[in-house]
Amino acid sequence: AQKITQTQPGMFVQEKEAVTLDCTYDTSDPSYGLFWYKQPSSGEMIFLIYQGSYDQQNATEGRYSLNFQKARKSANLVISASQLGDSAMYFCAMRGNQGGKLIFGQGTELSVKP
Amino acid sequence: KAGVTQTPRYLIKTRGQQVTLSCSPISGHRSVSWYQQTPGQGLQFLFEYFSETQRNKGNFPGRFSGRQFSNSRSEMNVSTLELGDSALYLCASSLTDRGRFTDTQYFGPGTRLTVL
Repeated sequence: AQKITQTQPGMFVQEKEAVTLDCTYDTSDPSYGLFWYKQPSSGEMIFLIYQGSYDQQNATEGRYSLNFQKARKSANLVISASQLGDSAMYFCAMRGNQGGKLIFGQGTELSVKP
Repeated sequence: KAGVTQTPRYLIKTRGQQVTLSCSPISGHRSVSWYQQTPGQGLQFLFEYFSETQRNKGNFPGRFSGRQFSNSRSEMNVSTLELGDSALYLCASSLTDRGRFTDTQYFGPGTRLTVL
C-alpha cells in the first residue's frame, strides 16, 4: 500500500527566510510521481512542483525546490525567501502507475511571520 | 486558459436529501477525479473518470456516484445525505488518459457541502 507521511502539523518561518517541509513516502511501485500542493484558506489546491521517481535531478520551480532522496524515501519541499502569501496548508502527494488517484499526506500548516 | 471550475461553491443540505456537484475540467483535459476533504480523514479519493467511463473508485459507499459527459464535464451525486458527508469536495483534471504517474492533476476551488 502507498502512504505519505508529513510529520510537521504546523511550522512558523520568518518572512524572507527559507523553510523545509518534510515528506516521507512508502510504496512498492517501481515508478511513481511525487507532488506538492498548496491550499490557502480559500480551499483551492494549487499545484507547486513535481518529481518523478526516475528523475536524476531535484525539481525546481521558481522559489520552490524538491529535495528528493530516493533511498531514504523522502521528498522535502524547500521554499526560499518566504513571503506572507506563502501562509497556507501544504500537502505532499504521490501517484503510482496503478491508477489515477493521488495519495495525500495529512498536510503541514505553514505560517509566515512579518 | 481557464482553470477547473466547480459549482456550486457552497451548499447547505439536510440529512436524507441528495445533492449534485458539477465540475468542468481545464479545456483539453479528459480525465476528471473527485476527492473528499474532511478535518478528520484528510483528502480521500472518490473516483476517476475518462471518456465517460469510471476508471477507478475509492472506498466510499454506493450513495456516492458520479458520471462524465462527452464534453468531459463531470458530476458527482450523493444520495441520502448523512452528517458525516459534510466536507470540501474537490475536483481535479489531468491531460492524458493513461493515468500515468507523471500526470499532474489540477484542482478546482471545491464545493463546500454542509449537511444539517
